[in-house]
Amino acid sequence: DAKTTQPNSMESNEEEPVHLPCNHSTISGTDYIHWYRQLPSQGPEYVIHGLTSNVNNRMASLAIAEDRKSSTLILHRATLRDAAVYYCILRDNAQGAQKLVFGQGTRLTINP
Amino acid sequence: DAGITQSPRHKVTETGTPVTLRCHQTENHRYMYWYRQDPGHGLRLIHYSYGVKDTDKGEVSDGYSVSRSKTEDFLLTLESATSSQTSVYFCAISEWVTSTDTQYFGPGTRLTVL
Repeated sequence: DAKTTQPNSMESNEEEPVHLPCNHSTISGTDYIHWYRQLPSQGPEYVIHGLTSNVNNRMASLAIAEDRKSSTLILHRATLRDAAVYYCILRDNAQGAQKLVFGQGTRLTINP
Repeated sequence: DAGITQSPRHKVTETGTPVTLRCHQTENHRYMYWYRQDPGHGLRLIHYSYGVKDTDKGEVSDGYSVSRSKTEDFLLTLESATSSQTSVYFCAISEWVTSTDTQYFGPGTRLTVL
């Protein structure tokens, strides 16, 4: 499985934008970049995914570097409810995609 | 929210006893998964199912068995629980297994083996 590297923790203030980085220097051409997050005492939930182009949805934006070796999850206006562990995951059809390979993720703290 | 429930939500048991955890879905999704989450390891796949009576092992399957007799239910059994199986167990479902599909997770079961 392709590896991802994320900072262990980040901190931000409420109503400010948050940029969560992820490095994936060994990404292959067919790997999709997925982000999940896990709120306290809950199961993980899907946030967003992309392949090459930047993506936006109601929860967040995903900015993908031109060489695809890194990506950034952007929360445009953080709320206290966004405090969670954020996981950056690579998925590839070649591996059957039966499983999500979770790393340690980034623990995001939001200050009021 | 995807209709996934897990039961029980909390369980304390003793070493050597059998334990069965249940995952129930109302989405009619074909694929179901069991993960465990431990500090320092993230989530790891135990077993998954790609249809009724069709299951396969994940990366940490030793000591666990699964069964799926109906689309909506996926059971995880610890034949003889050990303290190393103390963990939080998450069930997940997905409609497909492509590189773009989404997995939806249940609320988790916290299992303590004394």
